[in-house]
Amino acid sequence: DAGVIQSPRHEVTEMGQEVTLRCKPISGHNSLFWYRQTMMRGLELLIYFNNNVPIDDSGMPEDRFSAKMPNASFSTLKIQPSEPRDSAVYFCASRPGGGWDQPQHFGDGTRLSIL
Amino acid sequence: GENVEQHPSTLSVQEGDSAVIKCTYSDSASNYFPWYKQELGKRPQLIIDIRSNVGEKKDQRIAVTLNKTAKHFSLHITETQPEDSAVYFCAERGTGGSARQLTFGSGTQLTVLP
Repeated sequence: DAGVIQSPRHEVTEMGQEVTLRCKPISGHNSLFWYRQTMMRGLELLIYFNNNVPIDDSGMPEDRFSAKMPNASFSTLKIQPSEPRDSAVYFCASRPGGGWDQPQHFGDGTRLSIL
Repeated sequence: GENVEQHPSTLSVQEGDSAVIKCTYSDSASNYFPWYKQELGKRPQLIIDIRSNVGEKKDQRIAVTLNKTAKHFSLHITETQPEDSAVYFCAERGTGGSARQLTFGSGTQLTVLP
């Protein structure tokens, strides 16, 4: 089991640039979650997908953020244009189907720094 | 909406002592309560979880208790070791429209002093 795979692990870019974060969920999992973690706000859910369909994007901070899941094995989170306040660690997590009590499994995260 | 309060925010214990972290929630219909451990610079990892039909669950030195009446659940770590030092997050799964997502507490920084 390779676990949830995120790329890149680290990203440093200048404000105004487009940033794309990538996630490969665990094979067979049918729910995928994007989180943002900062010291000030802790772990925040941005959006989650069920069977590749976005279910709740109420956590997406503003229109600069967008997420897609074109198939069961890949998702992207895009920020355009990026701003310094977007600096954070972004985690992707996936969860298997089969019941409401299945745990989420996190990837190693992407540490994003916007200069 | 769902709300999870976690206390304390920081906790220091001597090696070998016990540590207890408590969370309270607002949705009386919540039915799943996982705990995650996050070491510095690493991802959150599930360490134990409990369903609403159970009052207590234990896994070696870690235990979780759930009081549905009072709407709180606690993580207990006995015989603490330096490698237990990390940030611990509680979470709860709501119902209704948010049934597929978790709401996380703000985290507890546990430091085990050798």
